[in-house]
Amino acid sequence: AQSVSQHNHHVILSEAASLELGCNYSYGGTVNLFWYVQYPGQHLQLLLKYFSGDPLVKGIKGFEAEFIKSKFSFNLRKPSVQWSDTAEYFCAVGPSGGYNKLIFGAGTRLAVHP
Amino acid sequence: EAGVVQSPRYKIIEKKQPVAFWCNPISGHNTLYWYLQNLGQGPELLIRYENEEAVDDSQLPKDRFSAERLKGVDSTLKIQPAELGDSAVYLCASSSNRGTMDTQYFGPGTRLTVL
Repeated sequence: AQSVSQHNHHVILSEAASLELGCNYSYGGTVNLFWYVQYPGQHLQLLLKYFSGDPLVKGIKGFEAEFIKSKFSFNLRKPSVQWSDTAEYFCAVGPSGGYNKLIFGAGTRLAVHP
Repeated sequence: EAGVVQSPRYKIIEKKQPVAFWCNPISGHNTLYWYLQNLGQGPELLIRYENEEAVDDSQLPKDRFSAERLKGVDSTLKIQPAELGDSAVYLCASSSNRGTMDTQYFGPGTRLTVL
């Protein structure tokens, strides 16, 4: 079955701490991978995406993610978080070569304290 | 460029009542999606339109849910009758019809509460 697993439902960090949010997927075939972010009171926004090529993908606001095919993982990282990174983060997977039907994880709620 | 617009933002109804949600996608986006997001979960696709054609409605509970996109632009999602378990956020998203590698842009959602 197609699924996305986000290991941490809630993460609490202090400003300047490093962040890594786990994402593992189960999906037949080659995939496109996404991280979306939802800031408080706002709509879902694309943070970054991987389609092909360099498995290390850089997104907006200093975020990056690494696709490790052998581990079916697409973890999100940021070396130094800010209070403004407080949000909910969703990992999603879709088929490469097919239309963009996305399967989302349950989300990780990040709280960054000043 | 205006984003995806949804209305209403919030809706409270009693069970067995009908309810409708409206979505206006980003101008020029041919593909429109309706998602359901339950509390503590990620969005789940209900239906996808390519222009006015529903090309994937396999996850839409057709006994009570219906959707339309008559002119290939705006779309309406309806529930009739609503049940307590339908309380959730209903998201609309759109993408341009340039193949498979299209970013989906999401609207703010409609939060439905069924009492």
